[in-house]
Amino acid sequence: EAGVAQSPRYKIIEKRQSVAFWCNPISGHATLYWYQQILGQGPKLLIQFQNNGVVDDSQLPKDRFSAERLKGVDSTLKIQPAKLEDSAVYLCASSRTGHGSGNTIYFGEGSWLTVV
Amino acid sequence: DAKTTQPTSMDCAEGRAANLPCNHSTISGNEYVYWYRQIHSQGPQYIIHGLKNNETNEMASLIITEDRKSSTLILPHATLRDTAVYYCIVRENYGGSQGNLIFGKGTKLSVKP
Repeated sequence: EAGVAQSPRYKIIEKRQSVAFWCNPISGHATLYWYQQILGQGPKLLIQFQNNGVVDDSQLPKDRFSAERLKGVDSTLKIQPAKLEDSAVYLCASSRTGHGSGNTIYFGEGSWLTVV
Repeated sequence: DAKTTQPTSMDCAEGRAANLPCNHSTISGNEYVYWYRQIHSQGPQYIIHGLKNNETNEMASLIITEDRKSSTLILPHATLRDTAVYYCIVRENYGGSQGNLIFGKGTKLSVKP
């Protein structure tokens, strides 16, 4: 079974430029998450989708960050304009939706962003 | 905020068992204990989870105290490749679905030859 796919793996941009990250979740996983991980810290949830609807975006800086999952499968996270403090790893994750304890979240390898 | 407390770092000799403790004194009855690890420059990797009973899989064992206020992750024969940051997370289970993961700072495990 293929894992969560993310691209690009690495990106360097100048401040005030824009960047987009793409995620393809594990096949059949209805729930998709975007996390931000700043160096030395644990990942922090930015947004959670259930199919193509937003479940939780309370931690998403909506003045510069946006995310979509139009067809309920792939997702894109965009930052515009980028700030220096956006330098981080952006992790995509997915899980099934169902009953019981089998709703484990699986992560991709992450997209490393450096804003200079 | 994360609901768990873990030591910042631990060392373990290669081939020996690594025992990673976690305190979660405010855990509620519908919350699971999950463990993930993150090897440098990779995404977090799921290890194991449990509710009340001890659990074992091909990667590790999870021992949860009877009062559920603490747990221990056991890697039975640590190798150099087990060097990573280990995260203990309590995760709410509500209505058949489960909430997202709230990460703390984890324990940096260093396995030494």
